[in-house]
Amino acid sequence: EVQVLESGGGLVQPGGSLRLSCAASGFTFRDYAMSWVRQAPGKGLEWVSTISENGDSAYSADSVKGRFSISSDNSKTTLYLQMNSLRTEDTAVYYCAKSPLCSGGSCYVFDSWGQGTLVTVSS
Amino acid sequence: EIVLTQSPATLSLSPGERATLSCRASQSVTRYLAWYQRKPGRAPRLLIYDASNRATGIPARFSGSGSGTDFTLTISSLEAEDSAVYYCQQRSNWPLTFGGGTKVEIK
Repeated sequence: EVQVLESGGGLVQPGGSLRLSCAASGFTFRDYAMSWVRQAPGKGLEWVSTISENGDSAYSADSVKGRFSISSDNSKTTLYLQMNSLRTEDTAVYYCAKSPLCSGGSCYVFDSWGQGTLVTVSS
Repeated sequence: EIVLTQSPATLSLSPGERATLSCRASQSVTRYLAWYQRKPGRAPRLLIYDASNRATGIPARFSGSGSGTDFTLTISSLEAEDSAVYYCQQRSNWPLTFGGGTKVEIK
C-alpha cells in the first residue's frame, strides 16, 4: 500500500526557516515524481514544487522560487521541502503527493497524498 | 500561468440527480486536465486524469470530458458520499495550476 507521511510543520516567525519531510513507502520511490501542494486557510489547493523521478529536474511556483527548495533522498525514500525566508502568506497545510506514471513518463497529477503538516508563520 | 476557472461555485442537488461541473482554462491545455475530490479532513482524491481517464478505484458514475479550454466532470447519479469540493488541475504547462473549486452539496 502506498503511504506518504509528512512531518516538520510548526510555528515559525516571519523570515524564519523550516524543513518539511515526507516519508514514502509501498512503491519504488526513485521511479516517481514527487511534489508539495499546499492549502492556506479558507483557500484552494496551490501547487508548490515538484521533483522529477531520479531527482533530475525540479520545478517551483513563482511564489516560492528562490525561497523554497525541494529535494529527495532515494536511500531514505524521503522527500524534503526546505523553506527559507518564510512569510505570513506561506501559512498553510502542506501536502506531499506522488505522481503516477502515464504513457511516455511521469504524469504530473497527484494520485497519492499524505494527511498534511501545518505550517504557521506568525510573530 | 494558465488560469483555471471552475463553475458553478456551489451546486446543490438531490441524491440520484446528475451533477455537471465545468472547468475552463485561460489557454489550451490539450487534454492534460485532472479532477480531484476533497472532503473535509481528508486528503484530495484523484478522480480523473488526462480529461477522461478514471483513476484506479474510481466509480463509473464519475466521468470526464473535454479538450482544449473547456472541460466537464459529470457525476451521473449523485450519492450522499459525493458531497465534497471538486478541483480541476492542469499539467500542460509549468507552473501546475488548480481551479478554485466547486462545492457539491447533497440536499
